Amino acid sequence: SAVISQKPSRDICQRGTSLTIQCQVDSQVTMMFWYRQQPGQSLTLIATANQGSEATYESGFVIDKFPISRPNLTFSTLTVSNMSPEDSSIYLCSVGGGTGNQPQHFGDGTRLSIL
Amino acid sequence: DAKTTQPNSMESNEEEPVHLPCNHSTISGTDYIHWYRQLPSQGPEYVIHGLTSNVNNRMASLAIAEDRKSSTLILHRATLRDAAVYYCILRTPMFSGGYNKLIFGAGTRLAVHP
Repeated sequence: SAVISQKPSRDICQRGTSLTIQCQVDSQVTMMFWYRQQPGQSLTLIATANQGSEATYESGFVIDKFPISRPNLTFSTLTVSNMSPEDSSIYLCSVGGGTGNQPQHFGDGTRLSIL
Repeated sequence: DAKTTQPNSMESNEEEPVHLPCNHSTISGTDYIHWYRQLPSQGPEYVIHGLTSNVNNRMASLAIAEDRKSSTLILHRATLRDAAVYYCILRTPMFSGGYNKLIFGAGTRLAVHP
């Protein structure tokens, strides 16, 4: 299974600033996903990022707030822009699951706190 | 997306079997049943998946009802490390090709007592 590394693992940021989270995979993958997990909640899909195309955002998430880059088949970034305390969450990168018979794999996430 | 229903929480004792139920009465014939778990302070971890037949792997067994409207994840001997939130998720094929994205519900929080 793919090994996923996220950086940073955690950060504390001031409101109004932006933070870019990096996701590195040890093998080439077509589909990458970004999820958010708010405190005590389940995971919510933010967007799907395929190499060579614009990211596809889920309802309630917009590119201006969560711009995503996917420059190659092993790397992606998610930026959380103009942060407020409500953005305090764990942000997780995931890959795989291209068919119903394939599992998705997840990184351990970036724990973000906004003061 | 087809919906699943799981109990909010369950408890077990260490070294006993655990049966985690999942109802998916609106499942269609091409939907795969996937199970993931999330240990504290970690990302979700794939456990097992199946389509029609029961499945076994090193982590667990998946028992699928004959009508496929329910399934059960079986942990044969629970350990303290199995304390986690377990998610039952359906993967549905899309008209545009491929399968739907992994959408998480609330899952079942499993507590394991020494």
